[in-house]
Amino acid sequence: AIRITQSPSSLSASTGDRVTITCRASQGISSYLAWYQQKPGKAPKLLIYAASTLQSGVPSRFSGSGSGTDFTLTISCLQSEDFATYYCQQYYSYPLTFGGGTKVEIK
Amino acid sequence: EVQLVESGGGLVQPGGSLRLSCAASGFTFSSYAMHWVRQAPGKGLEYVSAISSNGGSTYYANSVKGRFTISRDNSKNTLYLQMGSLRAEDMAVYYCAREAPYEEGAFDIWGQGTMVTVSS
Repeated sequence: AIRITQSPSSLSASTGDRVTITCRASQGISSYLAWYQQKPGKAPKLLIYAASTLQSGVPSRFSGSGSGTDFTLTISCLQSEDFATYYCQQYYSYPLTFGGGTKVEIK
Repeated sequence: EVQLVESGGGLVQPGGSLRLSCAASGFTFSSYAMHWVRQAPGKGLEYVSAISSNGGSTYYANSVKGRFTISRDNSKNTLYLQMGSLRAEDMAVYYCAREAPYEEGAFDIWGQGTMVTVSS
């Protein structure tokens, strides 16, 4: 199975900050990577797929980059509604696997 | 409105069985592959199972293979997960998710989840 290492596991930031979360795959996965946002008690929400394509309706302050083994999710100007946990997921091969998550908390 | 609604969760004893359902509405259910993903309390997301649009192909994570069965009834717009020989480590919120039509393997629609508690 492809392992996805996500970092950091948590971070504290202020509204307006630029935030970067990374995922590293244990082998090359081309651009078969998605990012999800999850708020407490809610289902995950798709933000980005194909490593860098913004899902319809997602604010443009979210962006994704990378290919192969290293990927990044960037929130350019953190808003209050962005405090949540973020997960990456590879869909290059089965079993589909998720990163461990990054909790973005208010500083 | 495109929607997935899970049901069937609850308290079950170790070794017991439970069937989860996921009712789909607002889209042509029979055109989409569907998946189950679970999340143990306070933990991350874990992939469980997949089924193709016509039900002809299925996939199971090693952790549930031989104990869980995924199925679907396209005439009823419903996805199922039959769970057996349940263990404490199966306790989680179970989400059904629709595979994005434009990106195979990504999940664009998720249900609200149903909690499965395994305890004596």
